Amino acid sequence: KQEVTQIPAALSVPEGENLVLNCSFTDSAIYNLQWFRQDPGKGLTSLLLIQSSQREQTSGRLNASLDKSSGRSTLYIAASQPGDSATYLCAVTDSWGKLQFGAGTQVVVTP
Amino acid sequence: NAGVTQTPKFQVLKTGQSMTLQCAQDMNHNSMYWYRQDPGMGLRLIYYSASEGTTDKGEVPNGYNVSRLNKREFSLRLESAAPSQTSVYFCASSEDSNTGELFFGEGSRLTVL
Repeated sequence: KQEVTQIPAALSVPEGENLVLNCSFTDSAIYNLQWFRQDPGKGLTSLLLIQSSQREQTSGRLNASLDKSSGRSTLYIAASQPGDSATYLCAVTDSWGKLQFGAGTQVVVTP
Repeated sequence: NAGVTQTPKFQVLKTGQSMTLQCAQDMNHNSMYWYRQDPGMGLRLIYYSASEGTTDKGEVPNGYNVSRLNKREFSLRLESAAPSQTSVYFCASSEDSNTGELFFGEGSRLTVL
């Protein structure tokens, strides 16, 4: 069974620092990997989707890499802002077409 | 563009009562999903519908039923609510079940007393 792990569970950084969030998965046979943001009391917002054939995706200050062979993805957020404070979740679509979520990393960016 | 809309946003039930959570998407997506989110357990798939006319069990289907009413709508029913079903429920949709980007609704917070 696919297991998705996100470390650390929580992270606090001062404004302006770059954020590095990690996601690891146990089975490299995936269709894609997706990064989400969740604000308290809200639903999940899709940030980036990386298909299995891709190595990275970029959107503005966000960059996500995918290394299927090592079962890892990293989300980089450049020049963090207080508005980036949220929980970030990664999810992989496994070979059965099922989406498996990590538990998330709670990020606080302090002014 | 509304995206994925869930109703109700909040509901309190007594043990044994029934209710239906409604979900509709306006993106012409083929696949729709119901998840529950609990502290320490993360997001778990309850049921999904890969395409109109099909439904399949996810990780935690016991105590729930679903109906894919048409391409737009996917409802989740609790026939006899239990306190263990207290949770936040999310509906989601994607263009297809394997490669599509997932879009979520705002969630429905359910408390069963």
